[in-house]
Amino acid sequence: DAGITQSPRHKVTETGTPVTLRCHQTENHRYMYWYRQDPGHGLRLIHYSYGVKDTDKGEVSDGYSVSRSKTEDFLLTLESATSSQTSVYFCAISDPQETQYFGPGTRLLVL
Amino acid sequence: GQQVMQIPQYQHVQEGEDFTTYCNSSTTLSNIQWYKQRPGGHPVFLIQLVKSGEVKKQKRLTFQFGEAKKNSSLHITATQTTDVGTYFCALSGGYQKVTFGTGTKLQVIP
Repeated sequence: DAGITQSPRHKVTETGTPVTLRCHQTENHRYMYWYRQDPGHGLRLIHYSYGVKDTDKGEVSDGYSVSRSKTEDFLLTLESATSSQTSVYFCAISDPQETQYFGPGTRLLVL
Repeated sequence: GQQVMQIPQYQHVQEGEDFTTYCNSSTTLSNIQWYKQRPGGHPVFLIQLVKSGEVKKQKRLTFQFGEAKKNSSLHITATQTTDVGTYFCALSGGYQKVTFGTGTKLQVIP
């Protein structure tokens, strides 16, 4: 597996609280992504990054922000968590051939 | 953006039966990728198809890219319990962005 870790792996939080998920890679790849996975929806892109401090929105970016201050780290923040953001969140990196390598995922439950 | 339809959504097969999942797009694709996700796991890259009519094999898995590059299929011969999982196709949308299909969840009954 590619060197991608996510933290935390599991989190339970309450509605209205901020949450930050971290993705760390050791592959020195330029492109990093955050997806959410929900039953019946497959994998949906939240935000992605094409370099340090260079990010762009995906198809489901509302309620989420990201930051990338170093090549190896890509942070996803839920400014004020809602129950609709209960999901499994995957970080991914891609190589120059556009192959995506995924982290182990973070299970987030918003009560 | 590009959209992709993947069918069926679910498939239950007896062990030893064959399985096929299809991925269809309304637009011509530059390439298509396939991923497998085991239950509780993360998606893992299987293969990428680039050429019109391309067929690639990985043991019991056969991947095909349509002649018009608008559809693709993944066929598993003689399924085994280790084939259980969800299979996703994914389209390259340029700028290193990939759009995933909704996936086909395969259940193999021993």
